[in-house]
Amino acid sequence: ELKVEQNPLFLSMQEGKNYTIYCNYSTTSDRLYWYRQDPGKSLESLFVLLSNGAVKQEGRLMASLDTKARLSTLHITAAVHDLSATYFCAVGRPDKLIFGTGTRLQVFP
Amino acid sequence: NAGVMQNPRHLVRRRGQEARLRCSPMKGHSHVYWYRQLPEEGLKFMVYLQKENIIDESGMPKERFSAEFPKEGPSILRIQQVVRGDSAAYFCASSQNGRDDEQFFGPGTRLTVL
Repeated sequence: ELKVEQNPLFLSMQEGKNYTIYCNYSTTSDRLYWYRQDPGKSLESLFVLLSNGAVKQEGRLMASLDTKARLSTLHITAAVHDLSATYFCAVGRPDKLIFGTGTRLQVFP
Repeated sequence: NAGVMQNPRHLVRRRGQEARLRCSPMKGHSHVYWYRQLPEEGLKFMVYLQKENIIDESGMPKERFSAEFPKEGPSILRIQQVVRGDSAAYFCASSQNGRDDEQFFGPGTRLTVL
């Protein structure tokens, strides 16, 4: 059974700092997704990573995928308050995504 | 092009009542997925439907839950005889081509069972 774990579960960071969220999964998957969820809202797609070594960047967020290690990272550069949200990774076939537990990020001044 | 629409956005039911959640996929999408999110948890896959067919219902509880996606109209997730443990956010997603296609999520229906 495919399992997806994220860490940390909670992350409180100061504006301007850098940090990385980790997503480990237990069996081979052909793609990995990162989503953002604001409180009481739906999921916003951030990145889709399709191959080993894939790296994608959007603004202060950068995601990478290492399929051999079964690991994806979401790196936050120079955090700002607007990035406060819960971030989920998800793996598996597009028709049956398995989500991680989520990382709740709080950025404070 | 409207996104995935769900209604109602909030639903309150008493124990033993029925809950009906509706999902209209994006225009041109014929694949619908339902997920449940319990408080402080990630989304859990429930069911995958195409028009008039259930493709994968491996995440659906065996009792009280059912889903359909008729030829005309929205997809419906139905929960009979709701219990407090059914309180959650239920998200619908749709895709155009199914297995190889990215899903787009609706705003969710937050069900509260009193």
